[in-house]
Amino acid sequence: AQSVTQPDIHITVSEGASLELRCNYSYGATPYLFWYVQSPGQGLQLLLKYFSGDTLVQGIKGFEAEFKRSQSSFNLRKPSVHWSDAAEYFCAVRADTGRRALTFGSGTRLQVQP
Amino acid sequence: DGGITQSPKYLFRKEGQNVTLSCEQNLNHDAMYWYRQDPGQGLRLIYYSQIVNDFQKGDIAEGYSVSREKKESFPLTVTSAQKNPTAFYLCASSERSEAFFGQGTRLTVV
Repeated sequence: AQSVTQPDIHITVSEGASLELRCNYSYGATPYLFWYVQSPGQGLQLLLKYFSGDTLVQGIKGFEAEFKRSQSSFNLRKPSVHWSDAAEYFCAVRADTGRRALTFGSGTRLQVQP
Repeated sequence: DGGITQSPKYLFRKEGQNVTLSCEQNLNHDAMYWYRQDPGQGLRLIYYSQIVNDFQKGDIAEGYSVSREKKESFPLTVTSAQKNPTAFYLCASSERSEAFFGQGTRLTVV
């Protein structure tokens, strides 16, 4: 069964600083990987996804993520954080066969200081 | 607009009552899912359905039931057997790629 670990529960960065959110996954085959963002009391919005091909994927709102098979990682990055990026971020993995439901990490809450 | 509609947004349940959360989608997706979200625990899968008239238990199905009689609809019933039902519930649907989420229902036991 697949699993996802987000080691950082809470991160605080200053506005304009760079950001990296960590995600490690466990899955036996090539995973489908996702990053979602959630504002308080809202649903989840997809930031980006990786299925195959180029290991550096671009998403919405200036986010990008890099798939590193050797490290079983899919870290999310943004070069310059805006105050509106404050939210909770979830990494997720999905199998390509059988149960195709997403398995989520426990999330990282991002605070942005002015 | 295409999307997923969950209702109600807020729901209050007395102990011992069953309640049903609605989830409707007009994206023509075959697969639908129910997740439960608790602070610090991410999203946990309750039930999923990959096609009409078929559904499977997820990781935390005890105390919940579902039906999938129509492609567009996947209601979740929280039964009195669920001992700790207070949580945020999210419904999602997908086709071949990413999942799309509704805005959630916050259920509180009073």
